[in-house]
Amino acid sequence: RKEVEQDPGPFNVPEGATVAFNCTYSNSASQSFFWYRQDCRKEPKLLMSVYSSGNEDGRFTAQLNRASQYISLLIRDSKLSDSATYLCVVNTNAGKSTFGDGTTLTVKP
Amino acid sequence: DAGVIQSPRHEVTEMGQEVTLRCKPISGHNSLFWYRQTMMRGLELLIYFNNNVPIDDSGMPEDRFSAKMPNASFSTLKIQPSEPRDSAVYFCASSSPLRYEQYFGPGTRLTVT
Repeated sequence: RKEVEQDPGPFNVPEGATVAFNCTYSNSASQSFFWYRQDCRKEPKLLMSVYSSGNEDGRFTAQLNRASQYISLLIRDSKLSDSATYLCVVNTNAGKSTFGDGTTLTVKP
Repeated sequence: DAGVIQSPRHEVTEMGQEVTLRCKPISGHNSLFWYRQTMMRGLELLIYFNNNVPIDDSGMPEDRFSAKMPNASFSTLKIQPSEPRDSAVYFCASSSPLRYEQYFGPGTRLTVT
């Protein structure tokens, strides 16, 4: 079993839709959690950190459920520019991050 | 502010040649990571340094790969000899003390023929 697992998708949604991604992790001692976004042929870029209390940044909401060991990302009112691969990242040891394989999102007109 | 800088951006070489990839982390960051990304295997951590010291190199595929960080502002990843299966995008990333968010460079796209 992989340390960090994501549904690879692809998710194909129309503009304006709400879409949610989940990510599960296996190490209960994990401490820090993030979502990254990667566009085609580009480097991964930090989208947002994920806090226990949940956090929101505009149309994006991230949630952490430590008991069930999963992280979620919700995108509301999706835009064409949201099309990308979304990577879930978990810090299992201090300073070392484990990346999921990513979930591909395509937003269509 | 300058982000993570990598060079070269593209490298095409023949099998058996030595390849050296370079990375300059963000100033003030004390952790540096080398990753490899392919369609088949996704993003793989090769090695990471903390305060210029290699902490975990368990992801380095074999002895043909080596990495150094002689000072806080420079790191290299060397492949000698290179093989076609080494073709991939190699990313360098850095993070600041006590924070785990990593910032990636633009990557080096390596093609070994």
